[in-house]
Amino acid sequence: QKEVEQDPGPLSVPEGAIVSLNCTYSNSAFQYFMWYRQYSRKGPELLMYTYSSGNKEDGRFTAQVDKSSKYISLFIRDSQPSDSATYLCAMKGSTGGFKTIFGAGTRLFVKA
Amino acid sequence: KAGVTQTPRYLIKTRGQQVTLSCSPISGHRSVSWYQQTPGQGLQFLFEYFSETQRNKGNFPGRFSGRQFSNSRSEMNVSTLELGDSALYLCASTALAGDTDTQYFGPGTRLTVL
Repeated sequence: QKEVEQDPGPLSVPEGAIVSLNCTYSNSAFQYFMWYRQYSRKGPELLMYTYSSGNKEDGRFTAQVDKSSKYISLFIRDSQPSDSATYLCAMKGSTGGFKTIFGAGTRLFVKA
Repeated sequence: KAGVTQTPRYLIKTRGQQVTLSCSPISGHRSVSWYQQTPGQGLQFLFEYFSETQRNKGNFPGRFSGRQFSNSRSEMNVSTLELGDSALYLCASTALAGDTDTQYFGPGTRLTVL
């Protein structure tokens, strides 16, 4: 079993839809949770960073962490074609010297 | 402030050859991490360097090695290339080592092994 599980998709939604992306993890030592967006032929860019259970909002993006269920989510409101990319969840903790472990990434397509 | 730069952007090699990739972190960042990204395995951690010392290492064979220079620039070397080494190699820099600081990724070097 992988430490971080993420459905690779692809996920296809119409413009304006609310998108929900999810990851589950098995290592309870993870303390910090990130979401990255990666466009084709580019490196990942950080979207959201959180270290506590609950919600964190930034514009159209909301990151949600539930440590008791070992489950994190990223919600995208009013999705745009420019949101079409691969979204990677990532997490790290004191185990393993704070190495960042990434999910496989979910490919998202937002249709105009 | 300039971002993370990686050279070369694209590389084609044949089996058995060796390759060196270069990464220049964001100015002032002292930690550099390397990742291998493939469609099947996703992003996998190779190693992290901080102040010229390897701080963390992933589960890759000894053919993969790296180093960091006093100006924080880092190089990654892969010897005796195999077809399975074809991947996007990403470098990420962080202001301080480990815990809470976030990583900023470069555009990657796409290595193709024939």
